[in-house]
Amino acid sequence: QKEVEQNSGPLSVPEGAIASLNCTYSDRGSQSFFWYRQYSGKSPELIMSIYSNGDKEDGRFTAQLNKASQYVSLLIRDSQPSDSATYLCAVNQAGTALIFGKGTTLSVSS
Amino acid sequence: DAGVIQSPRHEVTEMGQEVTLRCKPISGHNSLFWYRQTMMRGLELLIYFNNNVPIDDSGMPEDRFSAKMPNASFSTLKIQPSEPRDSAVYFCASSFGEWGDTQYFGPGTRLTVL
Repeated sequence: QKEVEQNSGPLSVPEGAIASLNCTYSDRGSQSFFWYRQYSGKSPELIMSIYSNGDKEDGRFTAQLNKASQYVSLLIRDSQPSDSATYLCAVNQAGTALIFGKGTTLSVSS
Repeated sequence: DAGVIQSPRHEVTEMGQEVTLRCKPISGHNSLFWYRQTMMRGLELLIYFNNNVPIDDSGMPEDRFSAKMPNASFSTLKIQPSEPRDSAVYFCASSFGEWGDTQYFGPGTRLTVL
């Protein structure tokens, strides 16, 4: 059974620090990797997608992918209280459903 | 531009009643997904439509659940009869393309079955 694992947290960081969120997946054939953010009581919204090994940066967010280790991470630099949310990792391979992790709750204290 | 629209936003019903959830995808999107989210199980895909055709319904829990997409702008998820264990938030999402493309989620329907 294909699985996506995340530490449920909560991950607590002070304002201005770097938050590091991690995700591992079981299906070696996975090709597409996504990070969604979900505020309490709201729907998931896409933050970043990554498809090849290495780093991808978008503003304060950096996604890192290592297919050999079956590992994808999200770094949030200069964390803000508004970043406090649950972050969902999602993975799939071509022609198959997205598999979501259960999410990591991030709390940024001011 | 309107995003994915879902109705109702909240539904409280009694065990045994029929529940119908509705979804209008983003115009131009040709894939539609129904998800269920609970604390215990996280976000689970129930069914996926592409060009109004059900492609994968392996996530539908049992025969009590059914989904339709009569046209490109409307889909329903029906539970009949409902049970307390069906209580969850049900999300509809749409995308332009297929599995690997960005999915845009609706606001969700919070269902409570008493």
